[in-house]
Amino acid sequence: SQQGEEDPQALSIQEGENATMNCSYKTSINNLQWYRQNSGRGLVHLILIRSNEREKHSGRLRVTLDTSKKSSSLLITASRAADTASYFCATVHLSSNTGKLIFGQGTTLQVKP
Amino acid sequence: NAGVTQTPKFQVLKTGQSMTLQCAQDMNHEYMSWYRQDPGMGLRLIHYSVGAGITDQGEVPNGYNVSRSTTEDFPLRLLSAAPSQTSVYFCASSYRRMNTEAFFGQGTRLTVV
Repeated sequence: SQQGEEDPQALSIQEGENATMNCSYKTSINNLQWYRQNSGRGLVHLILIRSNEREKHSGRLRVTLDTSKKSSSLLITASRAADTASYFCATVHLSSNTGKLIFGQGTTLQVKP
Repeated sequence: NAGVTQTPKFQVLKTGQSMTLQCAQDMNHEYMSWYRQDPGMGLRLIHYSVGAGITDQGEVPNGYNVSRSTTEDFPLRLLSAAPSQTSVYFCASSYRRMNTEAFFGQGTRLTVV
């Protein structure tokens, strides 16, 4: 399986702090995506980074990609209580012609007010 | 637009019963997929479809059937429910191209007793 692994599995921080979560994957990819899942809800797309990109920003989110190490990180700056959720990375294999997503196991983030 | 709609939201089955989880999308997406989410396992791909009349197996297809007679609908059938199929099921859809986000339904929480 090309399922990724995420680290840490759980993270607890205070409001205003930054949160960093990491994702490692096994095979060559076309792109890597991050999703958020609030408790009991479906997943929501956050950001997509292509294999030829090294860094991408979206609001308070910063994603990096290191294809040589097969790893990515998601940084949430100035966290808020509303950021409490599970975060998943998902990869699209380089040879995929469908955009099929393979997910990691997720990081559970708790932001304390 | 409703996005991706899954029904039912909750279901309890007895071992050996069969049922169909419904998934519909109104975004004219070619690609649709079913995942199951178990604690500590992330999301695992069950089946996927790249268009009407075309389906393929994912990582964990055993015990499940799918069909895609229209672009909009992608039902998942449990043929003979087993306690191991107790899980939360998510349907997702996207355009069939590489660098595109997936849209998820709200999930179906299934318990097999």
